[in-house]
Amino acid sequence: AQTVTQSQPEMSVQEAETVTLSCTYDTSESDYYLFWYKQPPSRQMILVIRQEAYKQQNATENRFSVNFQKAAKSFSLKISDSQLGDAAMYFCAYRSNPNSGYALNFGKGTSLLVTP
Amino acid sequence: SAVISQKPSRDICQRGTSLTIQCQVDSQVTMMFWYRQQPGQSLTLIATANQGSEATYESGFVIDKFPISRPNLTFSTLTVSNMSPEDSSIYLCSVPSDRRQQFFGPGTRLTVL
Repeated sequence: AQTVTQSQPEMSVQEAETVTLSCTYDTSESDYYLFWYKQPPSRQMILVIRQEAYKQQNATENRFSVNFQKAAKSFSLKISDSQLGDAAMYFCAYRSNPNSGYALNFGKGTSLLVTP
Repeated sequence: SAVISQKPSRDICQRGTSLTIQCQVDSQVTMMFWYRQQPGQSLTLIATANQGSEATYESGFVIDKFPISRPNLTFSTLTVSNMSPEDSSIYLCSVPSDRRQQFFGPGTRLTVL
């Protein structure tokens, strides 16, 4: 079974600064998907960014980008120009391919605090 | 994207009782997932619910405790049976998208006294 590890239970960043959240995973598969989800206090899980393992280019979504190191099985999330609304729990998740029915394996999460 | 609603949004229940959580999707989907998120923890998959067949449960979860119904392609229910305080969690349903990601419902916060 694939495991996802987030080694930072909590992180803090000042508004407008940059923060990087770490994620490593363990798998024997060569084709898979990785995700970062955000869960604010409202509990709603919101997709932040996704990365296909077969793509070498790192995914970017506005202020959010990833550093995907396939050989090292590392998938970190960088948040630039942090905003107060970025404060939330962030979960790294892994999904097998090619069966689209496979569920997600989540890490334990990192709680991000954004200070003014 | 899919819009998913869950009912109830929260509930407080007595030990030994059962609660049924509803999940409604605004489009037809073959597969739905049910997750549990215990306090301060990550999400753990309970089961996968396919329309027209029995749900598939993950290790540590059994049908007698968490019966699931999937009567059509837009609706599913999860029942938490014979509840104990250890069942206090957020329960979320989700559906896969054509881009391999998942859309989640807003969750049901259950407290068992």
